[in-house]
Amino acid sequence: EDQVTQSPEALRLQEGESSSLNCSYTVSGLRGLFWYRQDPGKGPEFLFTLYSAGEEKEKERLKATLTKKESFLHITAPKPEDSATYLCADAGNMLTFGGGTRLMVKP
Amino acid sequence: EPEVTQTPSHQVTQMGQEVILRCVPISNHLYFYWYRQILGQKVEFLVSFYNNEISEKSEIFDDQFSVERPDGSNFTLKIRSTKLEDSAMYFCASSVGGQGPSGQYFGPGTRLTVT
Repeated sequence: EDQVTQSPEALRLQEGESSSLNCSYTVSGLRGLFWYRQDPGKGPEFLFTLYSAGEEKEKERLKATLTKKESFLHITAPKPEDSATYLCADAGNMLTFGGGTRLMVKP
Repeated sequence: EPEVTQTPSHQVTQMGQEVILRCVPISNHLYFYWYRQILGQKVEFLVSFYNNEISEKSEIFDDQFSVERPDGSNFTLKIRSTKLEDSAMYFCASSVGGQGPSGQYFGPGTRLTVT
């Protein structure tokens, strides 16, 4: 059974304090690893797709990387508006989401 | 910027009643999906739909559920006889390709409350 596990469950950062979120997966024949951002009461918002080990994608303060077993979402100098739940998902036969990391950035 | 829309934003229904949740996917997208998220839990895949038929469905998507694309713009999820445990946020999503590089675009969700 495909599994996607995210850690930590919650992360509190001070504004400007960089950190990384982890997504590990046990999927046979990974077809893509997606990162989404979800704000409270809203639908997930697409951020990145990664397909192969070594691939990296960047958007503003966020950078996603992929290895054979896990993906990291690096947040550089975060701002309070980066506060959200970050979800990763593997695109096997169906999109399987991890439980998410709830990020809180304090000013 | 095009977006997925969903109606209603909140639906309250009594146990045993039928509900229909509606979605308008992005106009040039070909793949359509329904997900649900029970409060405090993971987003869970329900069903994917392509070329006017179901392409994948999860174990959650049992005979109580059905999907339809009644016209060129709407995509609906019907729950025939709602149960208390169907209370959740239901998200519609659409994509250009199946699991393409642009990902799936999600709507704002319908909060379903079954009493």
